[in-house]
Amino acid sequence: SQQGEEDPQALSIQEGENATMNCSYKTSINNLQWYRQNSGRGLVHLILIRSNEREKHSGRLRVTLDTSKKSSSLLITASRAADTASYFCATDDNNDMRFGAGTRLTVKP
Amino acid sequence: NAGVTQTPKFQVLKTGQSMTLQCAQDMNHNSMYWYRQDPGMGLRLIYYSASEGTTDKGEVPNGYNVSRLNKREFSLRLESAAPSQTSVYFCASFMDRGRGTEAFFGQGTRLTVV
Repeated sequence: SQQGEEDPQALSIQEGENATMNCSYKTSINNLQWYRQNSGRGLVHLILIRSNEREKHSGRLRVTLDTSKKSSSLLITASRAADTASYFCATDDNNDMRFGAGTRLTVKP
Repeated sequence: NAGVTQTPKFQVLKTGQSMTLQCAQDMNHNSMYWYRQDPGMGLRLIYYSASEGTTDKGEVPNGYNVSRLNKREFSLRLESAAPSQTSVYFCASFMDRGRGTEAFFGQGTRLTVV
């Protein structure tokens, strides 16, 4: 079964708005990563947060991790049409890397 | 650097045919993985190889075999293709599994079994 579960499954916003995606997981992890996938392409790594970190920033991306709730969120600020893609969380528990089903983000110009 | 290269990009098979999906990485990574992606299912792990000479089953290994030919190459074989194996297959590599290194993905192989 999948480890991470993203929420919502789909999100549609206007350019300039912020987009927030959530991820819940089931077991203990070493780290959690977020990936982006453009239609028909492979996944591209966005950001990694370790289990002892609570928040991390990278450009317009902000990731939080709450290990007590086994959840993470990805915030994309000031979204652009080019941010339209699917976003996946992946949990790394030292055995393998499991991905959720993803959130499909559409940013309307 | 090419990163992770998968071949072929597209393939149509008849039920019962066999084929091998090829994956090669030029980043000197130790770990290589095969995933399949189906609509609404995310990526599911088929097999992985933590290091050269080792392979292990993932979440959905039935109907597949793998070979870690050398450090660079990790192939996925379908011995007798079934329509349920219609999917997009992704190969990924990591420097070291479980040590917080990012995954690098190939562009995918879109397989249709008719």
